[in-house]
Amino acid sequence: IAGITQAPTSQILAAGRRMTLRCTQDMRHNAMYWYRQDLGLGLRLIHYSNTAGTTGKGEVPDGYSVSRANTDDFPLTLASAVPSQTSVYFCASSDSEGTDTQYFGPGTRLTVL
Amino acid sequence: GQNIDQPTEMTATEGAIVQINCTYQTSGFNGLFWYQQHAGEAPTFLSYNVLDGLEEKGRFSSFLSRSKGYSYLLLKELQMKDSASYLCAVLDSNYQLIWGAGTKLIIKP
Repeated sequence: IAGITQAPTSQILAAGRRMTLRCTQDMRHNAMYWYRQDLGLGLRLIHYSNTAGTTGKGEVPDGYSVSRANTDDFPLTLASAVPSQTSVYFCASSDSEGTDTQYFGPGTRLTVL
Repeated sequence: GQNIDQPTEMTATEGAIVQINCTYQTSGFNGLFWYQQHAGEAPTFLSYNVLDGLEEKGRFSSFLSRSKGYSYLLLKELQMKDSASYLCAVLDSNYQLIWGAGTKLIIKP
């Protein structure tokens, strides 16, 4: 059982380029989340999805978009990357939204130059 | 605004006990989580408290006081592998997790 996988592991990207970070879970969890983690700051929620077909905005959604076509996949797209989007991105999932424990993927380290 | 405060860094000795504090001010409260994160890795779940009191799980215990907006994580019999960051997170009224910046725990032999 893989749990949650993310790809790529790391990426260096030129500013202005489009980039999609992939996230797949095999736990049949309903809820999925995208966070960014920056030094000295707590994890910040970018977007979430409580169930397939629905998405919502978190604390820092600007510059990012998501889709949830099925239960397993939750890709995060940067339409036109900027240096301030340099961060470590974590995907997480939980059985349902709310009090259920969130399980995290291994992360994607993204550098935008 | 919403705020989670934790010490930035703590140092402790192998075999000792350490207490990591977390204070919070959030819009609503639906529980508090503690996660462990080793350097370069993903956060992993340690504990969840929604009622006041102490929850014990092996060498780790977590305490909550909702009236004081306060929690702590207690680690006993410290081992070198406990060197990690410990993240406090509160589930707010919208059932979204608000995260503290984390406490980096350094264990010395």
